[in-house]
Amino acid sequence: AQSVSQHNHHVILSEAASLELGCNYSYGGTVNLFWYVQYPGQHLQLLLKYFSGDPLVKGIKGFEAEFIKSKFSFNLRKPSVQWSDTAEYFCAFGGNTGKLIFGQGTTLQVKP
Amino acid sequence: GAVVSQHPSRVICKSGTSVKIECRSLDFQATTMFWYRQFPKKSLMLMATSNEGSKATYEQGVEKDKFLINHASLTLSTLTVTSAHPEDSSFYICSARGALEQYFGPGTRLTVT
Repeated sequence: AQSVSQHNHHVILSEAASLELGCNYSYGGTVNLFWYVQYPGQHLQLLLKYFSGDPLVKGIKGFEAEFIKSKFSFNLRKPSVQWSDTAEYFCAFGGNTGKLIFGQGTTLQVKP
Repeated sequence: GAVVSQHPSRVICKSGTSVKIECRSLDFQATTMFWYRQFPKKSLMLMATSNEGSKATYEQGVEKDKFLINHASLTLSTLTVTSAHPEDSSFYICSARGALEQYFGPGTRLTVT
């Protein structure tokens, strides 16, 4: 069965620290991968997505993610986090139907 | 970007009653919308795919007679929780499929007493 796993459930960082959130998926075919962010009290917003091409994907707000096919991974990174990055982060996998399968989510808390 | 709205944002109902939640795409047409359920501290669980003009497709384990979905127009999908029980209390989120990505609504907090 298709699934998405996020390894970090709760991450606490100080401002300016570097961030890496792990995401692994299980599916052998063509994949569409996404990272969404949910700021407190707000909608889910798309940070970045990978469909094909360059495996290093750059998104909004300085985030990037790298698709490593051999590791079935799509980790999210940011070199220097800010207090405003405090939010819930979700990795998701999508197929041709448009359905999204979400990981468990990671709560990021950035201390000023 | 595209906007998706949900109404109501929160609702409290008594056990045994039915509740309807609306999901609207405000500035684009969506032939496909999705309904998710999010439990506290948990991820989003896809409940069903709502297709304009046809029956919804439900995920395994989701009761179609309990969660009625209607997608009568290209901008509106509704989810009706019938004969609600306390275990149906949750955060329900819809999304609408745009040209390049899905756009999510703000969610509806349902509390069944």
